[in-house]
Amino acid sequence: AQTVTQSQPEMSVQEAETVTLSCTYDTSENNYYLFWYKQPPSRQMILVIRQEAYKQQNATENRFSVNFQKAAKSFSLKISDSQLGDTAMYFCALTGNQFYFGTGTSLTVIP
Amino acid sequence: NAGVTQTPKFQVLKTGQSMTLQCAQDMNHEYMSWYRQDPGMGLRLIHYSVGAGITDQGEVPNGYNVSRSTTEDFPLRLLSAAPSQTSVYFCASSRGGVYGYTFGSGTRLTVV
Repeated sequence: AQTVTQSQPEMSVQEAETVTLSCTYDTSENNYYLFWYKQPPSRQMILVIRQEAYKQQNATENRFSVNFQKAAKSFSLKISDSQLGDTAMYFCALTGNQFYFGTGTSLTVIP
Repeated sequence: NAGVTQTPKFQVLKTGQSMTLQCAQDMNHEYMSWYRQDPGMGLRLIHYSVGAGITDQGEVPNGYNVSRSTTEDFPLRLLSAAPSQTSVYFCASSRGGVYGYTFGSGTRLTVV
């Protein structure tokens, strides 16, 4: 069975500061991919960043970066220089045969 | 490109009514899925398809039917609506693997 766990239901961060969202997962597959999705109040699901499990190098997309620890099955998201527009629900996701989502972390950026 | 188009955006049903949520994608993606989103539960997979003519059940399939007669369309049918089906429904498509899923804008369904 594949599972994705996000243990932080809610987080907040001051504008311009850095915040890290945690995600752990479990899978028996060797070839898989990990993703972070953002869901702002508009409800639209937006792909933030992706990581191939066979790549050791951590993915980076502008202010967003991940800390991928394959042996620990950990996939955290770091948001640098937080902006008000980063306020959203963030979902960690794992894909193998299917696409599995965590329960989400609600992030609020405080002005 | 329109991406993934879901209709309607909002719907109110009475218990026992049936309806179809429409989903269409214009990206020639093989993989399509339906999810429901409930507070504190993330996105749960209802049904998915790996290509035209092929569908399978996800985590919470009861009360829902799907079909995939074309690559583009993947409608979700509620057979006899129940209040427990009140939720936000997302359709998503993908060409697989590292590309992740592209999501529709969602349907907020309320069953009274």
